[in-house]
Amino acid sequence: SQQGEEDPQALSIQEGENATMNCSYKTSINNLQWYRQNSGRGLVHLILIRSNEREKHSGRLRVTLDTSKKSSSLLITASRAADTASYFCATLDSGYALNFGKGTSLLVTP
Amino acid sequence: DVKVTQSSRYLVKRTGEKVFLECVQDMDHENMFWYRQDPGLGLRLIYFSYDVKMKEKGDIPEGYSVSREKKERFSLILESASTNQTSMYLCASRGSGLIFGTQYFGPGTRLLVL
Repeated sequence: SQQGEEDPQALSIQEGENATMNCSYKTSINNLQWYRQNSGRGLVHLILIRSNEREKHSGRLRVTLDTSKKSSSLLITASRAADTASYFCATLDSGYALNFGKGTSLLVTP
Repeated sequence: DVKVTQSSRYLVKRTGEKVFLECVQDMDHENMFWYRQDPGLGLRLIYFSYDVKMKEKGDIPEGYSVSREKKERFSLILESASTNQTSMYLCASRGSGLIFGTQYFGPGTRLLVL
């Protein structure tokens, strides 16, 4: 079942600016992940943060997790046109399958 | 690099046809998944499999069945295709262990049912 809910649904920024997306979820989790999907393609894993972690970095990506608020944020710094894509958060609880949100559509204009 | 492949990128079928979507992964993953993705609805889980010949229903299994005869292959079957099954279908695989979780996705199959 869907658990993650991304906010905003759509985001438009200029190259060089930072992009922040938020994700809220409902139940306890083992980990939370962010994925990117370029138009019409499969999803690509970006970063995973475990429930006992608060912040994680990977290149221009920074993810935070607040389990008390059941929320996460993804920050992309110094955005590029190539970052244009949909971004999904996904949570893994005690089940087998990831639960995905509906995604944030990011447009980065030159 | 993990590779998940799907048999077709685009598929056009007629109402009532039996449709097979194939997914193959090359990383010896125990878990495999089928999702469908529709605008405004995100990804919804149809079925998953945690071992050969094992399968579990996801959130929207109606109208679908699956087959996992070999570890690397997970097939989604539309017994009698209907227009409301027009969608993007995504296959994914993942290694074992609940503390892990990265799922690797195939490129997707865009199915149009006429």
